[in-house]
Amino acid sequence: QSVLTQPHSASGTPGQRVTISCSGSSSNIGTNYVYWYQQVPGTAPQLLIFTDNQRPSGVPDRFSASKSGTSASLAISALRSEDEAYYYCAAWDDSLSGRVFGGGTKLTVL
Amino acid sequence: QVQLVQSGSEVKKPGSSMKVSCTTSGDAFIPYAISWVRQAPGQGLEWMGGIIPILYTPKYAQRFQGRLTIAADESTSTAYMELSSLTSEDTALYYCVRGDTATFYEYYSEQWGQGTLVTVSS
Repeated sequence: QSVLTQPHSASGTPGQRVTISCSGSSSNIGTNYVYWYQQVPGTAPQLLIFTDNQRPSGVPDRFSASKSGTSASLAISALRSEDEAYYYCAAWDDSLSGRVFGGGTKLTVL
Repeated sequence: QVQLVQSGSEVKKPGSSMKVSCTTSGDAFIPYAISWVRQAPGQGLEWMGGIIPILYTPKYAQRFQGRLTIAADESTSTAYMELSSLTSEDTALYYCVRGDTATFYEYYSEQWGQGTLVTVSS
């Protein structure tokens, strides 16, 4: 059971916009920055979003993120087949004194 | 360009210990936090702990307290993760992850190692 809660799966067709939610608590998302990772099967995760809503260089602006209270969300617009991957949210948890991850969302591009 | 190179795959017996190394090249070693994250087959990501070499003090996730040791060797720019009392549930891909700050909770970029597969089997 992950500390951060994500839907197990999400899907969309090319060109569509999809969102992935991440629910936490006051000790993690409510207090600390949220990060998002993309993991293509067989490869290491890659940082997609840092400090709630910032993109590292090289990440397309089709990816955006937001946070409100103890929840966060990742939005992918103009969906492409190469976006098919697992997406994880993460945050520092003050109560656990450690980084916590969501269980991951498998995004399928139909 | 920062590169993290991890040691190779291992097969371990239940009850034994494992030790994985992670050598950094291409950038300074000391100032930046290094975490260890594992991923069991078909499962999600789990933060195990980490170290900020300049502080010399490791931090461990509660569930690994007592059987996890993380250390760093400045002279070789290498971080180590040792996990003892292994069970089959420790079978996983183990990653070292380096941020670009001296904290675990705020960073702006990250570099992941290639992963080390550890299989625990009798």
